[in-house]
Amino acid sequence: ELKVEQNPLFLSMQEGKNYTIYCNYSTTSDRLYWYRQDPGKSLESLFVLLSNGAVKQEGRLMASLDTKARLSTLHITAAVHDLSATYFCAVVRGKLTFGQGTILTVHP
Amino acid sequence: DAGVTQSPTHLIKTRGQHVTLRCSPISGHKSVSWYQQVLGQGPQFIFQYYEKEERGRGNFPDRFSARQFPNYSSELNVNALLLGDSALYLCASSLLGGETDTQYFGPGTRLTVL
Repeated sequence: ELKVEQNPLFLSMQEGKNYTIYCNYSTTSDRLYWYRQDPGKSLESLFVLLSNGAVKQEGRLMASLDTKARLSTLHITAAVHDLSATYFCAVVRGKLTFGQGTILTVHP
Repeated sequence: DAGVTQSPTHLIKTRGQHVTLRCSPISGHKSVSWYQQVLGQGPQFIFQYYEKEERGRGNFPDRFSARQFPNYSSELNVNALLLGDSALYLCASSLLGGETDTQYFGPGTRLTVL
């Protein structure tokens, strides 16, 4: 059974700082998604990573995928308050399997 | 174009009752998937339908059932509700339902079981 683990589960950041969220998964997959979820809202797709070494960037967020290590990272650069949300990675292997989520809070 | 729509937005039921949740996919999408998201956890896969046929099923009891209609909309039914069924139920649509298709999520239905 595919397992997807994120860490940290809780992340409190100061504005302007950098940090990385890690997503490890247990079986082979060549497709990984990152989603954002605001409280009480649905999932917003941020990135889809399709192959080993894939890197995608949008604003202050950059995601990468290492299929050999079964690891994806979501790097946050110079955090701002608007990035406060829960971030999920999800791996495709027949179905979408989600990690537990990382609750990110950015404070002044 | 409209995205994935779900109804109702919120629902309150009591234990033992039955509930039906509805989902309309993005126009042109033929596959619908259902997920349960309990507070504080990631979404868990319940069902996937493609062209009215069940394509996949997650680890949920038989109290959960679903179907897809000729217009590709879908219903999720849950019988004999338990307190633990309280969750956000998310519907996602994709073009063909394959592994390479991106899933687009609806706003969800918040179910509270008292």
